[in-house]
Amino acid sequence: DPKIIQKPKYLVAVTGSEKILICEQYLGHNAMYWYRQSAKKPLEFMFSYSYQKLMDNQTASSRFQPQSSKKNHLDLQITALKPDDSATYFCASSQDNSAETLYFGSGTRLTVL
Amino acid sequence: GQQVQQSPASLVLQEGENAELQCNFSTSLNSMQWFYQRPGGSLVSLFYNPSGTKHSGRLTSTTVIKERRSSLHISSSQTTDSGTYLCALKNNNAPRFGAGTKLSVKP
Repeated sequence: DPKIIQKPKYLVAVTGSEKILICEQYLGHNAMYWYRQSAKKPLEFMFSYSYQKLMDNQTASSRFQPQSSKKNHLDLQITALKPDDSATYFCASSQDNSAETLYFGSGTRLTVL
Repeated sequence: GQQVQQSPASLVLQEGENAELQCNFSTSLNSMQWFYQRPGGSLVSLFYNPSGTKHSGRLTSTTVIKERRSSLHISSSQTTDSGTYLCALKNNNAPRFGAGTKLSVKP
């Protein structure tokens, strides 16, 4: 059974729309992360949360907003979508935000038309 | 600049050959983790190796902090080893990834 669940697996959106990517982890971890991987770039760090608080942010655009309603949830809201946002978005978690093993979900593949 | 650099960018082997993948980093290190990314995209953790040498089957990871490098050795490669190998460095922030080594093993 997957311990980090990302929904949906595939997502198609039109330019200018808004989408929410869902991530839930059932590992009992306290730290969660979002990464992005596009065809043109390597796996790129976006956000990290620890105990539902933002710890590190590498995303310049305010169109990307993480949302943590529960300790084991870290959703990603993306507004005013652009074709360049097309990528696979990976959620990850670790026991805490110190030096710990990172576990990944299977990703949400977003295509913006 | 790029904190984590992986080499080679790509590698083609005949089945049975060995491979040595390198990860060099320019900052201090709290942890180093190696991943295998399947052609379909999912990521599998191979090693969590902040220092020293670890073995798992045909895979060996060695991290030398003083030299700011980590390596992944694959012995007796198989076609099923094909995919992308990524290293992730953690210092005081969230883990950052290298660009990866794309490995292709031919039968």
